Amino acid sequence: RKEVEQDPGPFNVPEGATVAFNCTYSNSASQSFFWYRQDCRKEPKLLMSVYSSGNEDGRFTAQLNRASQYISLLIRDSKLSDSATYLCVVERDTGRRALTFGSGTRLQVQP
Amino acid sequence: DVKVTQSSRYLVKRTGEKVFLECVQDMDHENMFWYRQDPGLGLRLIYFSYDVKMKEKGDIPEGYSVSREKKERFSLILESASTNQTSMYLCASSRPPGTGAGYTFGSGTRLTVV
Repeated sequence: RKEVEQDPGPFNVPEGATVAFNCTYSNSASQSFFWYRQDCRKEPKLLMSVYSSGNEDGRFTAQLNRASQYISLLIRDSKLSDSATYLCVVERDTGRRALTFGSGTRLQVQP
Repeated sequence: DVKVTQSSRYLVKRTGEKVFLECVQDMDHENMFWYRQDPGLGLRLIYFSYDVKMKEKGDIPEGYSVSREKKERFSLILESASTNQTSMYLCASSRPPGTGAGYTFGSGTRLTVV
């Protein structure tokens, strides 16, 4: 079983739609959580950190459920420029000091 | 603006060659990482380093080695390049774990081994 699992998509949505991505992680020792965005043929870039209380950044809302080992990202009012691959990322602070990436969920926002 | 710089954007090398991929960061970060990214497999950790002259194996270290002689520079070495090492290689740096900080990535090196 992969340490971080995501639905690869693609999610094809019209402009203005609300879309949600989910991610599960297997290691309960995971301490920090992130969503990264990766455009085609570009490097991943940090979109937002994910906190236990949930957090929002403009049209983006991230949620963490530690009991279920589940992370979500909600995008409201989708824009064409949101088209990208969204990577769910977890970090363990004990043992392995490195980020583990999911394979990504591809979003295509259509006019 | 903080930066992670990878020396080459595209490289073509022959099977059996020794290949050096260089990465430099200007953020005074302790931690540096090398990943490779392949379609359907996502990013996989090759090696990482949390201090000068320190290194740890990631998930797929076979066929690779690393060098960190200075804090700002982390080199990935392919001792004898093979065609299955054709990939996108991404370097990243970060502050220590637990700080809640993510990674900053370089723009990647697309290596083709022929």
